[in-house]
Amino acid sequence: SQQGEEDPQALSIQEGENATMNCSYKTSINNLQWYRQNSGRGLVHLILIRSNEREKHSGRLRVTLDTSKKSSSLLITASRAADTASYFCATDVYQGGKLIFGQGTELSVKP
Amino acid sequence: DVKVTQSSRYLVKRTGEKVFLECVQDMDHENMFWYRQDPGLGLRLIYFSYDVKMKEKGDIPEGYSVSREKKERFSLILESASTNQTSMYLCASSLSPGGFVGTQYFGPGTRLLVL
Repeated sequence: SQQGEEDPQALSIQEGENATMNCSYKTSINNLQWYRQNSGRGLVHLILIRSNEREKHSGRLRVTLDTSKKSSSLLITASRAADTASYFCATDVYQGGKLIFGQGTELSVKP
Repeated sequence: DVKVTQSSRYLVKRTGEKVFLECVQDMDHENMFWYRQDPGLGLRLIYFSYDVKMKEKGDIPEGYSVSREKKERFSLILESASTNQTSMYLCASSLSPGGFVGTQYFGPGTRLLVL
């Protein structure tokens, strides 16, 4: 199965609510990154968390990393309709030299 | 501002045609990548390059080749297009700070339809 697997595959919430997406992986990593993709467009980098970090914030985004459980979560607080997009985690696997992307979580934020 | 451009947003080709997808970045990044994205399969790495004239196979290189003659340009070539190569193609570039894979900057994508 995939190195990075997101959960849930799809999430529908109301504006103002928080959205939480999870990512699990299998092997040791150097870092883990989250990206966003609006429909039919390229991916945009959101945040990078290194393997020796446990939590990172950027605006309304909070990312946690638990290397013992090989998992990460992305929290978007006070969501807006403009947050509607697909969200991908990507792992920089130790000595891999490339990113491995999960299949993504499709987030829908209803006004 | 960081910029990765791809030669076409939409492309329609016939089976057996040779197809060139061009990608240019203006950030002086050493690393460049080609992915394809299909529903239910996520992003899959086709080829990547760490330097000029250098290339590495990704997870699904069959039916593709690449060319990197200049640092800023990375081309993906479909030698003989087939219908199963209908997909969204995404190019990306990055630095490698301290040897790790850094942030990847993506182009807008090329949606290729092979008839």
